[in-house]
Amino acid sequence: EDKVVQSPLSLVVHEGDTVTLNCSYEVTNFRSLLWYKQEKKAPTFLFMLTSSGIEKKSGRLSSILDKKELSSILNITATQTGDSAIYLCASQGAQKLVFGQGTRLTINP
Amino acid sequence: NAGVTQTPKFQVLKTGQSMTLQCAQDMNHNSMYWYRQDPGMGLRLIYYSASEGTTDKGEVPNGYNVSRLNKREFSLRLESAAPSQTSVYFCASSPEGLGTQYFGPGTRLLVL
Repeated sequence: EDKVVQSPLSLVVHEGDTVTLNCSYEVTNFRSLLWYKQEKKAPTFLFMLTSSGIEKKSGRLSSILDKKELSSILNITATQTGDSAIYLCASQGAQKLVFGQGTRLTINP
Repeated sequence: NAGVTQTPKFQVLKTGQSMTLQCAQDMNHNSMYWYRQDPGMGLRLIYYSASEGTTDKGEVPNGYNVSRLNKREFSLRLESAAPSQTSVYFCASSPEGLGTQYFGPGTRLLVL
């Protein structure tokens, strides 16, 4: 059965800290790994990773995929209160996305 | 740009009642999905439609039916609602079965 596991489930840090969120996957016919940010409503897309070892970057956020370890990390540097959200990792198989439980990140001022 | 729209935004049902959640996308996407989100469980796929005219079960299909009415619209029906179906329901679409999915704003459903 396809599975995606995220850790930690919850994280509280101070503004300015750097955080690393983890995602491991077991998916048949792996195609890609995606990260989403969910604030109050719908998840919004952050990154899609298909190749191992190539970092994707957007401002203070970056992510990398390790196909050998079946895992990915999402880094956020110099965190801001606006980064507070649930971060979802999802792995794409043949047709479907399988989501992890999410990491709830809280940034305190 | 509307993107993915869902109606209603919020609904309260009594056990045993039926209802249909509506979803529409204006991005000419082939694939559409229905998920439910419960605390601590992430998003779980209920049903999906890889293309117009096809539907397939996801991880948690029991108690639900779907209709891909046309390329734009994908509805989710609860025939006899149960308290276990209290959840937030998201519809999503993607150009093909692969890649980024675009989510609607969600429908919050409470079954008493």
